[in-house]
Amino acid sequence: EAQVTQNPRYLITVTGKKLTVTCSQNMNHEYMSWYRQDPGLGLRQIYYSMNVEVTDKGDVPEGYKVSRKEKRNFPLILESPSPNQTSLYFCASSWSWQVTGELFFGEGSRLTVL
Amino acid sequence: AQTVTQSQPEMSVQEAETVTLSCTYDTSESDYYLFWYKQPPSRQMILVIRQEAYKQQNATENRFSVNFQKAAKSFSLKISDSQLGDAAMYFCAYRSMDSNYQLIWGAGTKLIIKP
Repeated sequence: EAQVTQNPRYLITVTGKKLTVTCSQNMNHEYMSWYRQDPGLGLRQIYYSMNVEVTDKGDVPEGYKVSRKEKRNFPLILESPSPNQTSLYFCASSWSWQVTGELFFGEGSRLTVL
Repeated sequence: AQTVTQSQPEMSVQEAETVTLSCTYDTSESDYYLFWYKQPPSRQMILVIRQEAYKQQNATENRFSVNFQKAAKSFSLKISDSQLGDAAMYFCAYRSMDSNYQLIWGAGTKLIIKP
């Protein structure tokens, strides 16, 4: 089944404790992206990757890191999480980003930073 | 910079009736994509419909159709014969054609279906 898989789905952590949210897609998509969703703000892009070893900042990259060592994986790293990073996070991928812009989303990861 | 506005935080409709969700956007570009995504309680975002700006014909997908008014920068979603499974958050999004193909999202409209 074609899908984007995120883990963990839910996480409660404390300020300053490094964490990684994994994202994996099995559709051989070149484009991958991370978004955060906050009430009343819609989705905001954190980082995106056009291909392996190519990553770039989105609208809200502060406090986050990403890497794209393999085509299928695009982990999101919070080196020192803070309460303002409490949010719902989505990973998305696309095979035809330049042409159609259609995104396939993971199921989301609810992160709470205390 | 482009912006997307969804002026209706919440809408409700009786089952089997028709509802229209509004979306306006601001851009100086002439070529772009517009999308409606659905987010049910399961949280996963699902593409509902896509419109290319260069196409004058309004996109349709079964019970879902759009009213694309390029000059007015309006992109509303019409849902016909509303079903209980249509209850969700609906997000309008704009995709730039510039070098990073950034996707700009509206704040969303919560659609409630009354049985």
